[in-house]
Amino acid sequence: ILNVEQSPQSLHVQEGDSTNFTCSFPSSNFYALHWYRWETAKSPEALFVMTLNGDEKKKGRISATLNTKEGYSYLYIKGSQPEDSATYLCASTYFGNEKLTFGTGTRLTIIP
Amino acid sequence: ETGVTQSPTHLIKTRGQQVTLRCSSQSGHNTVSWYQQALGQGPQFIFQYYREEENGRGNFPPRFSGLQFPNYSSELNVNALELDDSALYLCASSFKRRGELDEQYFGPGTRLTVT
Repeated sequence: ILNVEQSPQSLHVQEGDSTNFTCSFPSSNFYALHWYRWETAKSPEALFVMTLNGDEKKKGRISATLNTKEGYSYLYIKGSQPEDSATYLCASTYFGNEKLTFGTGTRLTIIP
Repeated sequence: ETGVTQSPTHLIKTRGQQVTLRCSSQSGHNTVSWYQQALGQGPQFIFQYYREEENGRGNFPPRFSGLQFPNYSSELNVNALELDDSALYLCASSFKRRGELDEQYFGPGTRLTVT
């Protein structure tokens, strides 16, 4: 059984502060790690996909890192804004199994 | 927006009934995957269709079935509905190429309530 875990489950952050959260995943036969941003009543939006150990991706104020040997990824948000409020989901895929295995998400609320 | 649409947005069914959920893939995509998100859980993989054939299935009973049409739209059918089938159902489309990462684009989901 593959278990992807995210922490914390929820987070309240003051506007302007930086924050980060974690995704851990089984590293055996790992292929890719995906991060999604999901606002209420909208479609999950792909943020990053990473495959190589040590990968770092950045989009504006949001960045992510990947450690495939120990099976974790961090998502960082610098200078949080109210529009960053959303649920952030990570999902892993494995060789020979293309389904996305999701964590339960981190619900981020930015306090103005 | 991703270009993936789902209908209906939400619906209410009674236990024992049957339901059909629909998904329209992003233009040019040949693969569709369906996921179930129960309350407090992450999305769980139901199955995937590639070029109208089932291409992988998660841990869901046979009363969950699907179809993919030549225009790559898709249906998820659930028979003999149970209370635990109440969830958000997401579809995701992608263009599968051999040896390349399969990036999936999600629709907004259909919220199913079974009473």
